[in-house]
Amino acid sequence: DAGVIQSPRHEVTEMGQEVTLRCKPISGHNSLFWYRQTMMRGLELLIYFNNNVPIDDSGMPEDRFSAKMPNASFSTLKIQPSEPRDSAVYFCASSSTSGRRNEQFFGPGTRLTVL
Amino acid sequence: AQSVTQLDSHVSVSEGTPVLLRCNYSSSYSPSLFWYVQHPNKGLQLLLKYTSAATLVKGINGFEAEFKKSETSFHLTKPSAHMSDAAEYFCVVSSGSSNTGKLIFGQGTTLQVKP
Repeated sequence: DAGVIQSPRHEVTEMGQEVTLRCKPISGHNSLFWYRQTMMRGLELLIYFNNNVPIDDSGMPEDRFSAKMPNASFSTLKIQPSEPRDSAVYFCASSSTSGRRNEQFFGPGTRLTVL
Repeated sequence: AQSVTQLDSHVSVSEGTPVLLRCNYSSSYSPSLFWYVQHPNKGLQLLLKYTSAATLVKGINGFEAEFKKSETSFHLTKPSAHMSDAAEYFCVVSSGSSNTGKLIFGQGTTLQVKP
């Protein structure tokens, strides 16, 4: 298995632009998580899906952020419009909740820089 | 509610000496516990996990952790540090009885290994 795949790996954009981050979870996993990591705040859970349904989006910072999971093999995190304070590394992770082992597998992350 | 506290934000050891990274958890039920490692500019990788089997858990790269219910602790140890162990370490607890896979992350401990 290729593991969790994220694209792009690096994104540099200007303030006000729309940014879309993509994630392909491990095949067969039914939970997907979006995290943001910064020096100031550490690792924050933004939103997670179970069986393609958003379960908890309380970590999404504001309405500029949105996430979708149209099918079991794909999810997007969109920021519109982007701001410099959105600069961070965004991680996607997936897990299988069968047996309740709950181990999450992380992708390599997308490093976002908003100028 | 479940929570996890990493008692040290930064630990410094000399190469070849033991490593101890401390973690205390709070959980209203029997939890699953994990340690993840993050090397600079990399994603998170699972080191080891406890899921109510043996209380002494062995992980990758010579790391171990012992689940102590009476002390609500899950400290990470390694007998002899290697330069390649320098990284950020996260103690993690499963979020609850619901089967969604959500995890609660500690704030992280930075391990520095001096030659």
